[in-house]
Amino acid sequence: SQQGEEDPQALSIQEGENATMNCSYKTSINNLQWYRQNSGRGLVHLILIRSNEREKHSGRLRVTLDTSKKSSSLLITASRAADTASYFCATAGITYSGAGSYQLTFGKGTKLSVIP
Amino acid sequence: EAEVAQSPRYKITEKSQAVAFWCDPISGHATLYWYRQILGQGPELLVQFQDESVVDDSQLPKDRFSAERLKGVDSTLKIQPAELGDSAMYLCASSFGGSSYEQYFGPGTRLTVT
Repeated sequence: SQQGEEDPQALSIQEGENATMNCSYKTSINNLQWYRQNSGRGLVHLILIRSNEREKHSGRLRVTLDTSKKSSSLLITASRAADTASYFCATAGITYSGAGSYQLTFGKGTKLSVIP
Repeated sequence: EAEVAQSPRYKITEKSQAVAFWCDPISGHATLYWYRQILGQGPELLVQFQDESVVDDSQLPKDRFSAERLKGVDSTLKIQPAELGDSAMYLCASSFGGSSYEQYFGPGTRLTVT
């Protein structure tokens, strides 16, 4: 089952514009992670934000987390054609699955197209 | 830069046949994951290992799927017999210590069952 739901499902912008993707989830989490996937390839980790954090930055990426609304957003500033990819949020639930780990549950993703 | 290795990259098999995928995680990563990703959806966890032990295989269809990580390093995922609905991308990932850490993904194996 998938917990995170990304919105929008698809987003098309011009190069240089900012892109914002949202993620909503249903149950309490330990942390939330964002990943990027280029077409037909593996996923690349972008950023991890813990449940006690509200905002995090990494280069052109800004992630916010609102645990009261069970939502997160990923902002990519000054987008480039190379940012074209699918972006997934993944939640690490607090249900303990053994050996000090929490199951990571991915959403269906937002497909971002950046037009040169 | 260290990477997760997977083979084969592509596999076409007929239904009812057996198929196996191999994964070599980043050296020193104790946790290894196998995910299945259907086109247009996010990855879904099939099985998680901590060293050589299975931590979570609640989503693994155990009547046809099996996974092992005998020496706590590389891992094999097997499907026998394959069904048409098994066509998907199979992704392997590893992390230093569970889902509190970022996961590093391999390139995946694209399986087509005919």
